[in-house]
Amino acid sequence: EADIYQTPRYLVIGTGKKITLECSQTMGHDKMYWYQQDPGMELHLIHYSYGVNSTEKGDLSSESTVSRIRTEHFPLTLESARPSHTSQYLCASSEFGFSGNTIYFGEGSWLTVV
Amino acid sequence: SQQGEEDPQALSIQEGENATMNCSYKTSINNLQWYRQNSGRGLVHLILIRSNEREKHSGRLRVTLDTSKKSSSLLITASRAADTASYFCATPAGGTSYGKLTFGQGTILTVHP
Repeated sequence: EADIYQTPRYLVIGTGKKITLECSQTMGHDKMYWYQQDPGMELHLIHYSYGVNSTEKGDLSSESTVSRIRTEHFPLTLESARPSHTSQYLCASSEFGFSGNTIYFGEGSWLTVV
Repeated sequence: SQQGEEDPQALSIQEGENATMNCSYKTSINNLQWYRQNSGRGLVHLILIRSNEREKHSGRLRVTLDTSKKSSSLLITASRAADTASYFCATPAGGTSYGKLTFGQGTILTVHP
């Protein structure tokens, strides 16, 4: 059982609002990730972090931003939400290793922007 | 373009039957992983197979890896209704394992009781 938590699980907000999706893990993992997934589609990496004060853009361009001030916490923020941001956002973490990383996922946050 | 592509896109079987899903990838890798996702939930890691392994077992799961064909298969034996989920293969982004994974589009498996 993975100890990685996302809140909120479901969020419906109006266009132009600022939102933050919270993600925390209690496994002490250095690496954390945010993936975006539309229903029935593949996951796309939008942000990742290799440790505190480290953040990088992923493969899919995203208007969201992230921060990594503490090892266990990796929040994602949208300054001004738009309907095109409607999607599922999955947070994940893994240990640092070169021989293969098992990635542990949270339950996901479903964001609907109306 | 996607690194990992699964087929079939959807598979519907009866309980007790075996389910086989395939994954093809493009670049050289040092490991490949399979994940499961129940509807509306996060992904759960199933199994990791390294490039120097050809086959790996975990319970009712059997994974094969053919690096010469750049393909992998996931076999679920004696399927159960609870196996109904989407199954994704994932490969290290850029081929090596620095944590980032690239996922395929997934195979939707439905097991009928």
